[in-house]
Amino acid sequence: QSVLTQPPSVSGALGQRVTISCTGSRSNIGSAYDVHWYQQLPGTAPKLLMFVNSLRASGVPDRFSGSKSGTSASLAITGLQAEDEADYYCQSYDSSLNGVVFGGGTKLTVL
Amino acid sequence: QVQLVESGGGVVQPGRSLRLSCAGSGFTFSSYGMHWVRQAPGKGLEWVIFISYDGSERFYAESVKGRFTVSRDNSKNTVYLQMSSLRTDDTAVYFCANSATVTTSLDYWGQGTLVTVSS
Repeated sequence: QSVLTQPPSVSGALGQRVTISCTGSRSNIGSAYDVHWYQQLPGTAPKLLMFVNSLRASGVPDRFSGSKSGTSASLAITGLQAEDEADYYCQSYDSSLNGVVFGGGTKLTVL
Repeated sequence: QVQLVESGGGVVQPGRSLRLSCAGSGFTFSSYGMHWVRQAPGKGLEWVIFISYDGSERFYAESVKGRFTVSRDNSKNTVYLQMSSLRTDDTAVYFCANSATVTTSLDYWGQGTLVTVSS
């Protein structure tokens, strides 16, 4: 059971918009620790996608956006493309655990 | 460009030890903290350990406390993960990644090295 909760899977048609939620608690996201997002394409290492809640990493298209409110964060992808099919992970810091925490990951399927 | 290259993975028996290395290049290694993150086959990411830029701070996941240690040699641009009392549930691909501090993003990741704990 991950400290940050993500839906196991989401799907959307080409060109559509999807969102991936990341729910935490008062000891992590709710304590004003930033949320970061990673994309992991099949068979590859994770890659930083979004940092400090809503900032896009270098080279990431503006179809990707992030937000944070209270104890939750979300990643939105508009204009879905086939190459967006991947696993997505949110990450933050937890003051109770004194460590980094990841969400369980969300598999995005592009229909 | 930033490169992180892990090495040292392999097959090891339960209860034995193994040391992983991660060599960095393309950035000022001595200015960045370093994480180890693992991924069991078919599973999600699990954070393992963090060491600050100068080695003065270390953070451990509960699952590895007392068994894993982390160190770094900034003269060699290398961070090490010493794993002891290995268990079958430590089987995973181990990634290293750099980060300004323990709370900031993991900016660049290595390709990972597979550790298989099996008798």
